[in-house]
Amino acid sequence: GQQLNQSPQSMFIQEGEDVSMNCTSSSIFNTWLWYKQEPGEGPVLLIALYKAGELTSNGRLTAQFGITRKDSFLNISASIPSDVGIYFCAGLASGGSNYKLTFGKGTLLTVNP
Amino acid sequence: KAGVTQTPRYLIKTRGQQVTLSCSPISGHRSVSWYQQTPGQGLQFLFEYFSETQRNKGNFPGRFSGRQFSNSRSEMNVSTLELGDSALYLCASSWSGGGEKLFFGSGTQLSVL
Repeated sequence: GQQLNQSPQSMFIQEGEDVSMNCTSSSIFNTWLWYKQEPGEGPVLLIALYKAGELTSNGRLTAQFGITRKDSFLNISASIPSDVGIYFCAGLASGGSNYKLTFGKGTLLTVNP
Repeated sequence: KAGVTQTPRYLIKTRGQQVTLSCSPISGHRSVSWYQQTPGQGLQFLFEYFSETQRNKGNFPGRFSGRQFSNSRSEMNVSTLELGDSALYLCASSWSGGGEKLFFGSGTQLSVL
């Protein structure tokens, strides 16, 4: 089946630093989504990308849909302690009724105040 | 607008038992998806329901089943529980499921002893 390779697996950074993480796939996706999950909660949608090359921001977060449609990137600028959590990418191969998201394994982000 | 509600929040069962988990989607959302989350495998797609019909299914054994009611509420059932079924079970809803953003509940943490 389809697999997403998300990297890095974990990051330990100082408050104020910028963060970058990415997902790559051997398959083409039509939609990329980025989620954040905090302990004891379900994933919360951060950014959705629908077109190759699209660059979308949500506050200090910026994500891009790769031109090849096989990758996506998430950047967090000026990190703060509440950015701590697990960040997941998810890709959708086709729309309509064939709906199944494939998730990356996640990037665990720790921010040191 | 209320979010996705999952009950119960925590569940402890023993091997061989069966369990039913419940999910109430966001009002107006007709698509409900279920995911299993474990530390080793990450988020894995179980199935998706739309208008009381299962539209998509992941690669899980037949012990895992689900259904959706006319009010879009959904239940999933796991029969003959195994130790490996211990996981966080997440429900997610969207308006139509066709590549749209998923909104997740907080999950049901199932422990099988």
